[in-house]
Amino acid sequence: KQEVTQIPAALSVPEGENLVLNCSFTDSAIYNLQWFRQDPGKGLTSLLLIQSSQREQTSGRLNASLDKSSGRSTLYIAASQPGDSATYLCAVGSGSRLTFGEGTQLTVNP
Amino acid sequence: NAGVMQNPRHLVRRRGQEARLRCSPMKGHSHVYWYRQLPEEGLKFMVYLQKENIIDESGMPKERFSAEFPKEGPSILRIQQVVRGDSAAYFCASSGQGVSGANVLTFGAGSRLTVL
Repeated sequence: KQEVTQIPAALSVPEGENLVLNCSFTDSAIYNLQWFRQDPGKGLTSLLLIQSSQREQTSGRLNASLDKSSGRSTLYIAASQPGDSATYLCAVGSGSRLTFGEGTQLTVNP
Repeated sequence: NAGVMQNPRHLVRRRGQEARLRCSPMKGHSHVYWYRQLPEEGLKFMVYLQKENIIDESGMPKERFSAEFPKEGPSILRIQQVVRGDSAAYFCASSGQGVSGANVLTFGAGSRLTVL
């Protein structure tokens, strides 16, 4: 059974800081890994998708890496902004489903 | 392309009533997933369907919950005889290839069920 863990559970940083969110998973037999953003009371927005054969993906100020053998992924956010405040979810595609972590609640203070 | 459409966005039911949640996948998508997010918890997989077939329902509670994805029309998640513990946000996602493909899963905005 795939299990996904995200650390830290919550993070508060001043505006402009670079930060790293961590995700680990127990079963390395994955197809892909996705990072999502969820705003309070809203749905999920896909940020980045990394296929199992890839090492990283970049989109703007976001960079996600994947180390399948060690069961880890990181989401790097450069020059954080107050608008980045949200819950960030890591999800691993394996078997027939995406398995989600509990999320990291990020607050960027102006 | 309107994305994944879920309705209703908010639904209030009294204990013992039935709740029906609908999900229209993105155009061209034939794979539909339902997830539940309880208050202060993560998203938990419920069921994976393709047109007219349930592929994986291992996350569905054994009683009162059912799902379908007919040949025509939206996918339906049905909860019979609701209880307060069913209060949650229910999210639907769709994809063109399933999780093993290169495409992201696209999520709807969710349906928030409140049981009084």
